[in-house]
Amino acid sequence: AAGVIQSPRHLIKEKRETATLKCYPIPRHDTVYWYQQGPGQDPQFLISFYEKMQSDKGSIPDRFSAQQFSDYHSELNMSSLELGDSALYFCASSAGTVYEQYFGPGTRLTVT
Amino acid sequence: GDSVTQMEGPVTLSEEAFLTINCTYTATGYPSLFWYVQYPGEGLQLLLKATKADDKGSNKGFEATYRKETTSFHLEKGSVQVSDSAVYFCALSGMDSSYKLIFGSGTRLLVRP
Repeated sequence: AAGVIQSPRHLIKEKRETATLKCYPIPRHDTVYWYQQGPGQDPQFLISFYEKMQSDKGSIPDRFSAQQFSDYHSELNMSSLELGDSALYFCASSAGTVYEQYFGPGTRLTVT
Repeated sequence: GDSVTQMEGPVTLSEEAFLTINCTYTATGYPSLFWYVQYPGEGLQLLLKATKADDKGSNKGFEATYRKETTSFHLEKGSVQVSDSAVYFCALSGMDSSYKLIFGSGTRLLVRP
């Protein structure tokens, strides 16, 4: 069965650079969530989209922005990167907001 | 706000031992409850879920029952295997507009042969 695809899987950036993370949801899933997992921590909700509209926003820095496109894939744009942004970034998708979420393998971002 | 509390790890067991990982929650309304498992270097996999009180979720020998009276969703397995070694996250999906997941801090399980 098709799963959530995230790219790239690994990304190394320097401080103050920008990064773009991409997420391709499971076919026919219309809802995308982004989570950030710091080292040894639990995943923290960043932002979500339903039918290409932002549905909720969590602890996402103003330096980050995201959108969902007409084909339902989503991109998380991160600017002025800081060392503290180093983390695993997970995307999850669901068929509507009331169903269980399926997670991608994550993008490991390292900021040096 | 909504929150999830899990027992701290690591939990170290011998193969074929009984496993319990405690999870309690605080939430308004009637959240859905989940257990996710994360193997080393991998993403989060949904292990089981329960959407209403007294529901029992089960998968791969793992079970958890939604107990509204004690606001708990403890994970159990009768006989663990080395391959069960992973981090287990309890999570809830609340009644807000997006149904985002709120996770507990995770419990690392190490099963020794």
